[in-house]
Amino acid sequence: EPEVTQTPSHQVTQMGQEVILRCVPISNHLYFYWYRQILGQKVEFLVSFYNNEISEKSEIFDDQFSVERPDGSNFTLKIRSTKLEDSAMYFCASSTGGQPQHFGDGTRLSIL
Amino acid sequence: GEDVEQSLFLSVREGDSSVINCTYTDSSSTYLYWYKQEPGAGLQLLTYIFSNMDMKQDQRLTVLLNKKDKHLSLRIADTQTGDSAIYFCAESGFSGGYNKLIFGAGTRLAVHP
Repeated sequence: EPEVTQTPSHQVTQMGQEVILRCVPISNHLYFYWYRQILGQKVEFLVSFYNNEISEKSEIFDDQFSVERPDGSNFTLKIRSTKLEDSAMYFCASSTGGQPQHFGDGTRLSIL
Repeated sequence: GEDVEQSLFLSVREGDSSVINCTYTDSSSTYLYWYKQEPGAGLQLLTYIFSNMDMKQDQRLTVLLNKKDKHLSLRIADTQTGDSAIYFCAESGFSGGYNKLIFGAGTRLAVHP
């Protein structure tokens, strides 16, 4: 069964550094999403992306965050200047536009 | 705003049925989902139900939806130790295809012998 893949599985970064989280969505999917889960808290929506532009973003997704689909297969989340509170599990998801969304295994981001 | 609530913990004996409950606030929800998360793993889609349905059965899983009360439940028949995980309820509206999911806090299911 096709799946969403995310790399790396764990990223450790110094505070203030830039980090790029990578995702390969399911190949025939057109809608892409990022969510995050701070340890012990709910999974929170960050951003949705369709047709090479952001379709919706949450208040968490401020100017330090950006997303990109640099080629036909990858979907990336960049955090420009990481803060301690960015430490979380980041999940990528994709869908056909009908439901449902399929999730990757996540990238655990640890900011030191 | 939109919110999804779940009880945080459920303990059952192996072989019994488990029932995990969820309430949501958004009356415009079109789909409701159950995801499973095992330790250190991602979110695995278990099942989902469209809002015009009352019930959906898929092998050991039964989803019941009471739209009037905005209540969703997941019943797992013959619960096994491999079912031990966190179960997330989630809802989405419909806005042309791209829909954010609103998640509950998750119910930790512990299955004991």
